[in-house]
Amino acid sequence: QAVLTQPPSASGTPGQTISISCSGTSSTVGSNYVYWYQQLPGTAPKVVIHRNNQRPSGVPDRFSGSKSGTSAALAISGLRSEDAADYYCATWDGNRWVFGGGTKVTVL
Amino acid sequence: QVDLVQSGGEVAKPGASVKVSCKASGYTFTSFFLNWVRQAPGQGLEWVGWINPNSGSTQFGQKFQGRVTLTRDTAINTVYMEVTSLTSDDTAVYFCAREINGGGFDFWGQGTQVTVSS
Repeated sequence: QAVLTQPPSASGTPGQTISISCSGTSSTVGSNYVYWYQQLPGTAPKVVIHRNNQRPSGVPDRFSGSKSGTSAALAISGLRSEDAADYYCATWDGNRWVFGGGTKVTVL
Repeated sequence: QVDLVQSGGEVAKPGASVKVSCKASGYTFTSFFLNWVRQAPGQGLEWVGWINPNSGSTQFGQKFQGRVTLTRDTAINTVYMEVTSLTSDDTAVYFCAREINGGGFDFWGQGTQVTVSS
C-alpha cells in the first residue's frame, strides 16, 4: 500500500493534455516538496519535475507540476508516443522518502 | 559526467545475505547522499534508506531497520548495501540514486536484480 495515492492509469491521444494526481497528507505532500519520476520499461526512473514545479535541464516544457494543499499534479501537454511510461510522485515525510503507487500512461 | 554503476545480479537462498555495490564517478563523492530504492516485480518504488558518504551516517525505512546495512569506501567512491535474512519478498531490482541538495534524486544507477529463491 503506497503512502501517496495516484490513479493506476491515464491515457490520451497524441497532442492531448493529460494530468496525473498525487494525494497525500499534511505531513507528506502538505509540508514538503513533491518530485515526479518517469520510468520507461526496463530502465531506472528519471526525474521530470523537482521541487513541486521545477523542470530539470533537458526535460521538455510539455511537462509541468503543481501543488495545492495535500495534493499535487503532473501535467503532460502535447502528448507524444515517447511519453508512454510509468510515473511516480514522491516526497519526504520527515523520516523517510515515500512514493505513490505509480500511474501507467498510455498514448492511444 | 555523473555516473552510478552497480554490481551485477545476485541469486540467494532464503535466510542468506546479499551485498550490492554502487560506484560513483563524475562528482565529489562526499557531497551528496546516496539512497537505495527497490522495485519488486510489477510493483512500484520503495525507499530502503540513505547513507551520507561524508560521515557514514545512515537512515532507513522502518521495515528495513536492523536488516539492511549501508557502508561506504571513500577511497574508491563506492557505497554498499547489505541485506540479511532474505525472504522471497526481497526479490526486486535495487537502485542506488544520488540525492541532490534540497531533495530529490537526480542520477540513478542501472539497477541490480536480487532474486531470492530456494
